[in-house]
Amino acid sequence: DTGVSQDPRHKITKRGQNVTFRCDPISEHNRLYWYRQTLGQGPEFLTYFQNEAQLEKSRLLSDRFSAERPKGSFSTLEIQRTEQGDSAMYLCASSSGLAGEETQYFGPGTRLLVL
Amino acid sequence: AQSVTQLDSQVPVFEEAPVELRCNYSSSVSVYLFWYVQYPNQGLQLLLKYLSGSTLVKGINGFEAEFNKSQTSFHLRKPSVHISDTAEYFCAVSDQTGANNLFFGTGTRLTVIP
Repeated sequence: DTGVSQDPRHKITKRGQNVTFRCDPISEHNRLYWYRQTLGQGPEFLTYFQNEAQLEKSRLLSDRFSAERPKGSFSTLEIQRTEQGDSAMYLCASSSGLAGEETQYFGPGTRLLVL
Repeated sequence: AQSVTQLDSQVPVFEEAPVELRCNYSSSVSVYLFWYVQYPNQGLQLLLKYLSGSTLVKGINGFEAEFNKSQTSFHLRKPSVHISDTAEYFCAVSDQTGANNLFFGTGTRLTVIP
């Protein structure tokens, strides 16, 4: 069991640059989630996929945020024209089983710092 | 919409003492309830969850939680804490309508004092 992995673990970028994060879920999991966690807060849901279909994206923070899961395996989260307010931990989780009941398994996160 | 309130942002407790971490939720629909733990530099890990049935749920590492529908609460308890329990604890809900995402509280930092 390799768990959920995320890459990179840390990213420092300058304001205005684009960044892309990758998430590799547990292999047999068909659902994949992205969350954002800022200091002193709990994770905040951004979007999720069932296989390759993005079923919820209304909570993406702005149109600068986009996510893909092209083959239903790994996923990428891109932030265009980064702003200092985007500095946060970005978490990925995966799951399978009955919707809502299932346990989501979280990766270690990617910490983004925008200078 | 759902919301989760964890009133205690920090809870210090001496080793081997009991602890209760409070969680209250608000929802217009029935929910599932979860407690996750986040150890330093590690990902979130499920402690326990309530789906249905017995309102007392037992989880890993000796933790348990009780679902109280009338008080819309899901407090986490442990009768005797260890140094290794020092971590951030998050309460979360998901609704039973088919939406999958979790709504998290702001977390409670448990610090166990030797």
